[in-house]
Amino acid sequence: AQTVTQSQPEMSVQEAETVTLSCTYDTSESDYYLFWYKQPPSRQMILVIRQEAYKQQNATENRFSVNFQKAAKSFSLKISDSQLGDAAMYFCAYRSANSGNTPLVFGKGTRLSVIA
Amino acid sequence: DVKVTQSSRYLVKRTGEKVFLECVQDMDHENMFWYRQDPGLGLRLIYFSYDVKMKEKGDIPEGYSVSREKKERFSLILESASTNQTSMYLCASSLVSGTGNLCGYTFGSGTRLTVV
Repeated sequence: AQTVTQSQPEMSVQEAETVTLSCTYDTSESDYYLFWYKQPPSRQMILVIRQEAYKQQNATENRFSVNFQKAAKSFSLKISDSQLGDAAMYFCAYRSANSGNTPLVFGKGTRLSVIA
Repeated sequence: DVKVTQSSRYLVKRTGEKVFLECVQDMDHENMFWYRQDPGLGLRLIYFSYDVKMKEKGDIPEGYSVSREKKERFSLILESASTNQTSMYLCASSLVSGTGNLCGYTFGSGTRLTVV
């Protein structure tokens, strides 16, 4: 079974600075998807960014980018120019591409605080 | 936008009660999921369904059952609520992966259930 590990339960960053959240995963598959979700205090889970394993190019969405290292099974999230609204729980998730119905496997989350 | 609606945001029930948590999605997604979220444990899969009347056990199905009589509705049932089922419950839906999309989830806003 696949597992996802987020080794940092909590992180903090100064406003306008850059922070990187770590995520590693364990799988024997070659084709899969990776995701970062954000859960603010409102509790609504929001998709931040996603990556297809067969793509070597790292995904980028505005201030959010990933460092996808397939051989190392690492998928870190970089947040640039951090804003107060970035404060949230962040979850890394894995989904197999081998079956159309497999669920996402989530890490335990990293709580990010942004200091003004 | 896809919308996933959970019927209650907060719920307080007594030990031994039968509890129904309802989830409805409006975008014809095949897959629906129930997770519980606890501090330090992340999101753990309870049950999922990939079609009407179909269900699959997740990682922690004990004490729960589900019902999917219509494609848009997926109900989580606590047959006899216990205090250790006090948690945040998140419903999600998705398309089948491999159909040309990256198949992340769309989440509901969660139900915080307290069993007393």
